[in-house]
Amino acid sequence: EVQLVQSGAEVKKPGESLKISCKGSGYSFTTYWIAWVRQMPGRGLECMGILYPADSETRYSPSFQGQVTISADKSLSTAYLQWSGLKASDTAIYYCARRASGSYYFDSWGQGTLVTVSS
Amino acid sequence: QSALTQPASVSGSPGQSITISCTGTSSDIGGYNYVSWYQQHPGKAPKLMIFDVSNRPSGVSNRFSGSKSGNTASLTISGLQAEDEADYYCASYTSSSRGVFGGGTKLTVL
Repeated sequence: EVQLVQSGAEVKKPGESLKISCKGSGYSFTTYWIAWVRQMPGRGLECMGILYPADSETRYSPSFQGQVTISADKSLSTAYLQWSGLKASDTAIYYCARRASGSYYFDSWGQGTLVTVSS
Repeated sequence: QSALTQPASVSGSPGQSITISCTGTSSDIGGYNYVSWYQQHPGKAPKLMIFDVSNRPSGVSNRFSGSKSGNTASLTISGLQAEDEADYYCASYTSSSRGVFGGGTKLTVL
């Protein structure tokens, strides 16, 4: 069974750094793109960027370029999303999702990680 | 890229059919057959309902169907049931090799 398991909820102060994780299992982690998707409170889904674990090729959506870093550790079958200086506006639920092979849709999702940034 | 355009809300009575539209451009919906639809219940992760415009994953009810004409994709739910009440999002591949979601549509079953 394909599973994406994300790290737990985080409460941080503005300016702090953070790295959240998404561990894949039940499939070949390196051969499927992994996306990070943001959902701000009461808002819709936004694709932040997508990474191919086999070679770490990463494509960021324009709104998120330079704001976050997406990475992966193949040996741990884990993808990461990190910030170097959080803002209150980063408060959101963040989902990782697996992109299906040969197409563009997300066939498996993590449970989401709630990030709260507040002073 | 801009989000795809969806109606903010739709509603229907049990047993009826509803259609949710998703409008993009020739650089996304109109240019590729890579439209997908997701259902999200409150407090839950999104769930894939339709992929590649009109295909249903295993386990998704055949009451859900998808189509596309030009730059607009549509999700139709027939025989509405109370459990269908949720938010629905469309998504598409884009010419910049990235993905874009619609703004979401809240479905209310009256």
